[in-house]
Amino acid sequence: DIQMTQSPASLSASLGETVTIECRASEDIYNGLAWYQQKPGKSPQLLIYNANSLHTGVPSRFSGSGSGTQYSLKINSLQSEDVASYFCQQYYDYPYTFGAGTKLELK
Amino acid sequence: EVQLVESGGSLVQPGGSLKLSCVASGFTFSNYWMDWVRQTPGKSLEWIGEINTDGSKTNYAPSIKDRFTISRDNAKSTLYLQMSNVKSDDTAIYYCTRASFDYWGQGVMVTVSS
Repeated sequence: DIQMTQSPASLSASLGETVTIECRASEDIYNGLAWYQQKPGKSPQLLIYNANSLHTGVPSRFSGSGSGTQYSLKINSLQSEDVASYFCQQYYDYPYTFGAGTKLELK
Repeated sequence: EVQLVESGGSLVQPGGSLKLSCVASGFTFSNYWMDWVRQTPGKSLEWIGEINTDGSKTNYAPSIKDRFTISRDNAKSTLYLQMSNVKSDDTAIYYCTRASFDYWGQGVMVTVSS
């Protein structure tokens, strides 16, 4: 199985700040990577697919980048509604696997 | 509006069986591969498996292979997850999703305990 190592596990940031979350795959996943946002009591919501494509309706302050085994999610100008957990997922190979998640809180 | 609504979650004893359903609306169900994903109390997400458009092909995670079966009824726009020989580790919230993971259901809780 491809292991997805996500960091940091938790993050505290101020409103308006830029935040970056990293995900490292145990092997090349050729941009087969998605990022999700999950708020308490809700199901995950797709933010980014194919490593850097913004899903419909997602604010442009979210962006994804990376290649090979290293990927990142950046949130520009952090808003209060961005407080949530974030997960990466590889879908390059079976079984699809997720990172352990990053919990983002306001400072 | 795309909607996925799961049902069938409950408390089940170890070794028991349970069948989850997911009713889809707002899109042409028969055109999409569908997946099941679960989230444990520790909050990590785990892909369970997927099924193709006509139900002739499935792929499963090794952790549940041979215990869980995914099926579908396109006439009813419904996806199923048959769970057998369940274990305490199967305790989780179970989500159905479109295979592009762009839409998720609200999730249904399955608790395995004696």
